[in-house]
Amino acid sequence: EAGVTQSPTHLIKTRGQQATLRCSPISGHTSVYWYQQALGLGLQFLLWYDEGEERNRGNFPPRFSGRQFPNYSSELNVNALELEDSALYLCASSLIAGGETQYFGPGTRLLVL
Amino acid sequence: TQLLEQSPQFLSIQEGENLTVYCNSSSVFSSLQWYRQEPGEGPVLLVTVVTGGEVKKLKRLTFQFGDARKDSSLHITAAQPGDTGLYLCAGPTGANSKLTFGKGITLSVRP
Repeated sequence: EAGVTQSPTHLIKTRGQQATLRCSPISGHTSVYWYQQALGLGLQFLLWYDEGEERNRGNFPPRFSGRQFPNYSSELNVNALELEDSALYLCASSLIAGGETQYFGPGTRLLVL
Repeated sequence: TQLLEQSPQFLSIQEGENLTVYCNSSSVFSSLQWYRQEPGEGPVLLVTVVTGGEVKKLKRLTFQFGDARKDSSLHITAAQPGDTGLYLCAGPTGANSKLTFGKGITLSVRP
């Protein structure tokens, strides 16, 4: 069984640009979560999508947004990139909506110059 | 806000040694998860503990959930270089099962 996949693995942008990150959950999982892992800050919850709807949002500005497609894959968009957005962005999925057991992908490393 | 504090922050030991690391909170959690993350990769789920006092074993790793469900420990017996990594504990917070993570414990096992 394939795990959570993310693309691209690395992304380099300049300040002010937009970044789009993609995630495919484990087959059969309907919930997708996004986390940011920045140096020194640990993993911080960004967004939770289930059945195409945004269910919960972490303490991040509105320029962090996303969506979930009918096939349950998801996209994270970050607009007006700032240097502090440089981080590893992790996607996770769970079998049960809002499930406590989440399985993570390998992440997308975003570097903002 | 439910916070998870992990200690020690860094640990460097020799192959074959035993170690115990901790995940503590002042809040009660319905469950706690332990993950291991290697550089450049996503966290890999090791175990979920649910019942107060529960002990789970995964080969040389022993996980315990505190009786009051506020803390957890991870004990590694005869550590090996392959155990090197960042160990994260996490627990669900809020009504929508957002996972809150501790900052992690960086373990280095020297051959």
